[in-house]
Amino acid sequence: GAVVSQHPSWVICKSGTSVKIECRSLDFQATTMFWYRQFPKQSLMLMATSNEGSKATYEQGVEKDKFLINHASLTLSTLTVTSAHPEDSSFYICSAPDRGRAGGVFGPGTRLTVL
Amino acid sequence: AQSVTQPDIHITVSEGASLELRCNYSYGATPYLFWYVQSPGQGLQLLLKYFSGDTLVQGIKGFEAEFKRSQSSFNLRKPSVHWSDAAEYFCAVTMNRDDKIIFGKGTRLHILP
Repeated sequence: GAVVSQHPSWVICKSGTSVKIECRSLDFQATTMFWYRQFPKQSLMLMATSNEGSKATYEQGVEKDKFLINHASLTLSTLTVTSAHPEDSSFYICSAPDRGRAGGVFGPGTRLTVL
Repeated sequence: AQSVTQPDIHITVSEGASLELRCNYSYGATPYLFWYVQSPGQGLQLLLKYFSGDTLVQGIKGFEAEFKRSQSSFNLRKPSVHWSDAAEYFCAVTMNRDDKIIFGKGTRLHILP
């Protein structure tokens, strides 16, 4: 079946640095991908919709200059957390529509820890 | 605004007992409805989904869910839980097949031996 991968699976960085997270659709193309953030013991909150060939759409309250999204190809979307701070520490999950079958395909997530 | 409500933050049941997790949604029309499970530190796994047809939906791992339009509910059930079912369960909705998915706050399921 359709698979979405994320890299890295976990990352630790110092405060003030930038971190890039990749989301790839394997064996299928995704013109749209979604980025979610999940704080410990909380639900998944949609951050933004990544669109191949156009700008990402951000949810209300999400800083677009801090969370840079680039949908470089039909199989790759990247999320860059710029000038990361400890409050950005979270579990970041991406998903891609599953060929018209509702439910999407979710990546395994990336655990970001900012020291 | 679209919303999904899971009224129970934690549920504890004994192994072998039956389970029901509640979910209510608020939408103008019937959305696609989902239940996902997430084990600690892991990604999401889709248990089942509903859009139309038979209101009782069978999923993986012995789970089922019943859609009740009159109550705007989509409750998840399992007749006999196993210790391995301990996890976080999310009810979720979307209005279109390929659209963003909105999640409820989740219900943490604890299993007593």
